[in-house]
Amino acid sequence: DIQMTQSPSSLSASVGDRLTITCRASQSISTYLNWYQHKPGKAPQLLIYAASTLQSGVPSRFSGSGSGTDFTLTISSLQPEDFATYYCQQSYTMPYSFGQGTKLQIK
Amino acid sequence: QLQVVQSGTEVKKPGSSVKVSCKASGGTFSMYAISWVRQAPRQGLEWMGGIIPISGTRNYAQKFQGRVTITADESTSTVYMELSGLGSGDTAVYYCAITTSLQVYGDTVRDYGMDVWGLGTTVTVSS
Repeated sequence: DIQMTQSPSSLSASVGDRLTITCRASQSISTYLNWYQHKPGKAPQLLIYAASTLQSGVPSRFSGSGSGTDFTLTISSLQPEDFATYYCQQSYTMPYSFGQGTKLQIK
Repeated sequence: QLQVVQSGTEVKKPGSSVKVSCKASGGTFSMYAISWVRQAPRQGLEWMGGIIPISGTRNYAQKFQGRVTITADESTSTVYMELSGLGSGDTAVYYCAITTSLQVYGDTVRDYGMDVWGLGTTVTVSS
């Protein structure tokens, strides 16, 4: 099974900051890498699929890159509504798997 | 527009089973991949298993092999997840998550992310 490792596990930042979260797969997954935002009490939301394609309705300050085993999620200018937990997930092959999550907190 | 409705909160005894449902409306159910994802208290998201009705594909995470069964009733556009041998570690919110951007070529599946999610079903395991 493919293991997904995210870093950091938590992060403190301020409104307006630029930040990057990384995700590494235990084997090549081409670009079958998705990013989700999850807020307490709500369903997770797909932000980016296929490593770099923005899901419809997601603000352009979110971007993704990478292929093979190494991927990044970047938020160009943090907004108050962005404080949440972010997960990467591989959909290259079942069983699918998530990273352990990155909790983004207000500094 | 595709929407999903999950069944309601469950409270179960240790050792028992739970069956959670996910009913889809407004889309072509059999053409999607439907996954079950759970989040235990203070834990991350965990993919449990999934089904692709049009291809008959069914797959489970190794952690849940032998305890979880996912089935689909295409006549009612409903997917079920049954988890047996419940323990306190199974207390969690269980989400149904659907991939609508899916390509299936024989045994090859190209899945472009889980874009429609249910609101979650809380399962509490307690004696």
